[in-house]
Amino acid sequence: DQQVKQNSPSLSVQEGRISILNCDYTNSMFDYFLWYKKYPAEGPTFLISISSIKDKNEDGRFTVFLNKSAKHLSLHIVPSQPGDSAVYFCAASAKTGANNLFFGTGTRLTVIP
Amino acid sequence: NAGVTQTPKFRVLKTGQSMTLLCAQDMNHEYMYWYRQDPGMGLRLIHYSVGEGTTAKGEVPDGYNVSRLKKQNFLLGLESAAPSQTSVYFCASSFRPTGTTYNEQFFGPGTRLTVL
Repeated sequence: DQQVKQNSPSLSVQEGRISILNCDYTNSMFDYFLWYKKYPAEGPTFLISISSIKDKNEDGRFTVFLNKSAKHLSLHIVPSQPGDSAVYFCAASAKTGANNLFFGTGTRLTVIP
Repeated sequence: NAGVTQTPKFRVLKTGQSMTLLCAQDMNHEYMYWYRQDPGMGLRLIHYSVGEGTTAKGEVPDGYNVSRLKKQNFLLGLESAAPSQTSVYFCASSFRPTGTTYNEQFFGPGTRLTVL
């Protein structure tokens, strides 16, 4: 049973516009969330994270928003650049329980020049 | 700094054959992980290690064994490969354990394994 869900397999955005990638989770014990970016034939690379004590975290063009009541987080990329074209994975972990980082299925972002 | 490296990059096995995937990290991380990624699914944890000489089962451990004889290396073994083990395998390492903040994992480039 998928505990972290990314319901949009793909997203296309014009260069310079905002990209919004969404992620939902079902486990209320999750308290730390991460976004990873993956290019073809490479491993995922860490992008940005957020703790459940916050509702927003910014790093340059990337902002992650967390809505705990809705069990939803989103990644905003502003402005989008062609080099942002990649697969983005949402991941979540909990303080207790197995030593798992639970990943979503990924969203392929294409930024059109 | 090479980060996390994996060998081999590609491998084709016949059903029943065995092989070992090697992961090495040069960041002095205590924690290491093996994941598999299948189409339409997120990365799933196979086994992990919290330090040299330790291993533990993850979400999908069946059919795999691991060893961590040296801190920098984490080996994943398939004793008798099956077609269901066709996948892309990623190794990762982290400074802090899952379940803590700032626990981001650093991934290797992956090994694409096909079992015929």
